[in-house]
Amino acid sequence: AQSVTQLGSHVSVSEGALVLLRCNYSSSVPPYLFWYVQYPNQGLQLLLKYTTGATLVKGINGFEAEFKKSETSFHLTKPSAHMSDAAEYFCAVSEGSGGYNKLIFGAGTRLAVHP
Amino acid sequence: DAGVIQSPRHEVTEMGQEVTLRCKPISGHNSLFWYRQTMMRGLELLIYFNNNVPIDDSGMPEDRFSAKMPNASFSTLKIQPSEPRDSAVYFCASQAQGSSYNEQFFGPGTRLTVL
Repeated sequence: AQSVTQLGSHVSVSEGALVLLRCNYSSSVPPYLFWYVQYPNQGLQLLLKYTTGATLVKGINGFEAEFKKSETSFHLTKPSAHMSDAAEYFCAVSEGSGGYNKLIFGAGTRLAVHP
Repeated sequence: DAGVIQSPRHEVTEMGQEVTLRCKPISGHNSLFWYRQTMMRGLELLIYFNNNVPIDDSGMPEDRFSAKMPNASFSTLKIQPSEPRDSAVYFCASQAQGSSYNEQFFGPGTRLTVL
């Protein structure tokens, strides 16, 4: 079965600093990987996803993630943090096939951005 | 499209009462997921449906919880009787058919408080 590990439940950065949120996955098949963001009192929304092809994936709000098969990682980065990036971030891997599939989520990383 | 719609957004009830949460998925999506989110346990998948049929309900905590999807545009999650430990945010998500890399779209959630 697939699984996801997010290293660091809380990350704090200064405004303008690099954001790096770590995600490692375990999968017996080529994985489909996702990053979701949850702003306070809201549902999750998709930031970006990796399916096949280019290993560097660009998402919304300046975020990107790189799929590294050799490291079983899918870390999320943003060159310069903004105050509005403060939220909880979830990494997920798809499990199943065809129409019968579900997402396996990591425990989440809460990002704080300070002035 | 209006996105995934959940009602009510907030529910406060007393222990022992029946609670019904409602979800309208995005039109054309054939998979529907119910999640529960708490500080202690994070994001948990409770049950998911494909073409209105429950596929995996292994996450349903106990018999007090039940879910139905009578048609493609409506699902309910019922708790009877409710207990204080059921207090959480409940999310519904929907997904289009056919591929493991199709993203899930989340609703805004229902915040349930059981006194």
